[in-house]
Amino acid sequence: QVQLQESGPGLVKTSETLSLTCTVSGGSISSNYWNWIRQPPGKGLEWIGHIYNRGSTNYNPSLKSRVSISIDTSKNQFSLNLNSVTAADTAVYYCARDFGNLEGAFDIWGQGTMVTVSS
Amino acid sequence: QLVLTQSPSASASLGASVKLTCTLSSGHRTYAIAWHQQQPEKGPRYLMRLNTDGSHSKGDGIPDRFSGSSSGAERYLTISSLQSEDEADYYCQTWTTGIRVFGGGTKLTVL
Repeated sequence: QVQLQESGPGLVKTSETLSLTCTVSGGSISSNYWNWIRQPPGKGLEWIGHIYNRGSTNYNPSLKSRVSISIDTSKNQFSLNLNSVTAADTAVYYCARDFGNLEGAFDIWGQGTMVTVSS
Repeated sequence: QLVLTQSPSASASLGASVKLTCTLSSGHRTYAIAWHQQQPEKGPRYLMRLNTDGSHSKGDGIPDRFSGSSSGAERYLTISSLQSEDEADYYCQTWTTGIRVFGGGTKLTVL
């Protein structure tokens, strides 16, 4: 069965770029939509954006100016870059799968990775 | 604007049933949603997809105690025979072209 695993630095300095990778195992990354979601400590879930269809992307308007999501089909991975980070970007970051605009339920989630932003 | 509204908290006794509500914003009352469970210190787990007619399809391994229903703009998650491990945050989620949206979550306490 398909599994997702996030990886990347647990600590990022203020004003720098947060970079995470999600590795997809047990299935191909060449179909479906691949999402990034985050959860600040003690708060709810926030959708960051997704990538699909050979690299097409959509982003949460509140983060759009700072976010970039890319995909590497040869490695079955997709990645998140969030630039100019502040303490407000401290959160657990999750990757998740959905089947597209007619079926956008996140049916598989990664376990999450904690990222702390600090000077 | 596509918005999901959930009550911040709910509680029910061990062995009882509880019904959690997720309300779709005006103009979006026919949208399907998904329910996700997040136990303490864990990542979210997909529970089910719930359609406007109340039909639902559950994720792998989700017990029969979890069911969904709909009425107008309201989407419900009912948990019967509550167990201690059901104490968790429950999030509804929906989607349309180019966007995914979460409700604020309901913290369920099992008494």
